[in-house]
Amino acid sequence: DTGVSQDPRHKITKRGQNVTFRCDPISEHNRLYWYRQTLGQGPEFLTYFQNEAQLEKSRLLSDRFSAERPKGSFSTLEIQRTEQGDSAMYLCASRPGTGGETQYFGPGTRLLVL
Amino acid sequence: GEDVEQSLFLSVREGDSSVINCTYTDSSSTYLYWYKQEPGAGLQLLTYIFSNMDMKQDQRLTVLLNKKDKHLSLRIADTQTGDSAIYFCAESIGTNAGKSTFGDGTTLTVKP
Repeated sequence: DTGVSQDPRHKITKRGQNVTFRCDPISEHNRLYWYRQTLGQGPEFLTYFQNEAQLEKSRLLSDRFSAERPKGSFSTLEIQRTEQGDSAMYLCASRPGTGGETQYFGPGTRLLVL
Repeated sequence: GEDVEQSLFLSVREGDSSVINCTYTDSSSTYLYWYKQEPGAGLQLLTYIFSNMDMKQDQRLTVLLNKKDKHLSLRIADTQTGDSAIYFCAESIGTNAGKSTFGDGTTLTVKP
């Protein structure tokens, strides 16, 4: 299966710890997106990359959040000094470049901050 | 600004048709999507419609778009218990569409 993959699928951490999630997009998709989904709500946009360039960041993405896509392939999302409010499902999606109207989502990483 | 609204719950009997509704506010939406999410899983794209279309049919799924009223609907014919899930409406803006804005989802329950 060459879909979008995310690792880990689940993460439990204590408040104040740092966590890092990884997303591997579909090969040759040059756009990559991060979303956050809390219980009972739809996904909310966090940030996206075109190749290695981070083109947009939501105001939801506080200073404690950082995302990278150093080689234009996989991406990492790091949360520093986690808070209980960071508990959510973090979804990654990818799409082809110009002309690709469909985003393909990964299975998500579920984060629980105790 | 961007806002997508959906009703929260829908319950139907197996074999009936389900209609899930969505309204959006941004008139420059280019693509409108329907996703399905089962418990603990990611989002599965069901279908999408380009903003210059009124209707799209794909097997049991029919999407209707009323651009004037900014209203989108998803009809599922012959609803099955396996269709029970949360359905999200989403929009993307621009011809080189980037991020999507999602509604909060409609939980569809199909009773046998």
